[in-house]
Amino acid sequence: GQQLNQSPQSMFIQEGEDVSMNCTSSSIFNTWLWYKQEPGEGPVLLIALYKAGELTSNGRLTAQFGITRKDSFLNISASIPSDVGIYFCAGQGNNNDMRFGAGTRLTVKP
Amino acid sequence: DSGVTQTPKHLITATGQRVTLRCSPRSGDLSVYWYQQSLDQGLQFLIQYYNGEERAKGNILERFSAQQFPDLHSELNLSSLELGDSALYFCASSVWGSNTGELFFGEGSRLTVL
Repeated sequence: GQQLNQSPQSMFIQEGEDVSMNCTSSSIFNTWLWYKQEPGEGPVLLIALYKAGELTSNGRLTAQFGITRKDSFLNISASIPSDVGIYFCAGQGNNNDMRFGAGTRLTVKP
Repeated sequence: DSGVTQTPKHLITATGQRVTLRCSPRSGDLSVYWYQQSLDQGLQFLIQYYNGEERAKGNILERFSAQQFPDLHSELNLSSLELGDSALYFCASSVWGSNTGELFFGEGSRLTVL
């Protein structure tokens, strides 16, 4: 099946720092999405990207759909303590299933 | 609150047993997805249904089965349970079954197999 490689696995940063994480795939996706999961909850959508090259922002979050359609990145600027959680990339291809990366666990130190 | 309801929230059972997890999608959503999340792991796609029909299949074991009923709720059946089946099982729903992107996740059912 389609494999998503997400990196880094974990990040420990200081409040106020910027964060960058990315996802690559061996297959082409039609849609890239970024989700955040907080403890005890299901993932919640942060940003959805539908076109190759698309750059989309949601507050302090910015994500891009790679030109090759095989990668995407998520940046978080000026991190705050409530950014803590696990960030997942997800890709949806022609067969309609939604595949998730292994997640990036973000810890923000005040 | 995502609007997706999963029951039970917690379940403890023994190896060899069978359990059923239930999911009610958001009102109006036709598509239901099931995912397995083991401790500190990512989300493993199991299976997707759209309006009662199986739409896509992931790494779902033969011991596991699912269905979506006419009222659009879905059930995931796990049988001959093994210790390694202990995990969080998430259900998610979306409006359509095609490439529309956003999934709305329930809070998950935590299964512990002893």
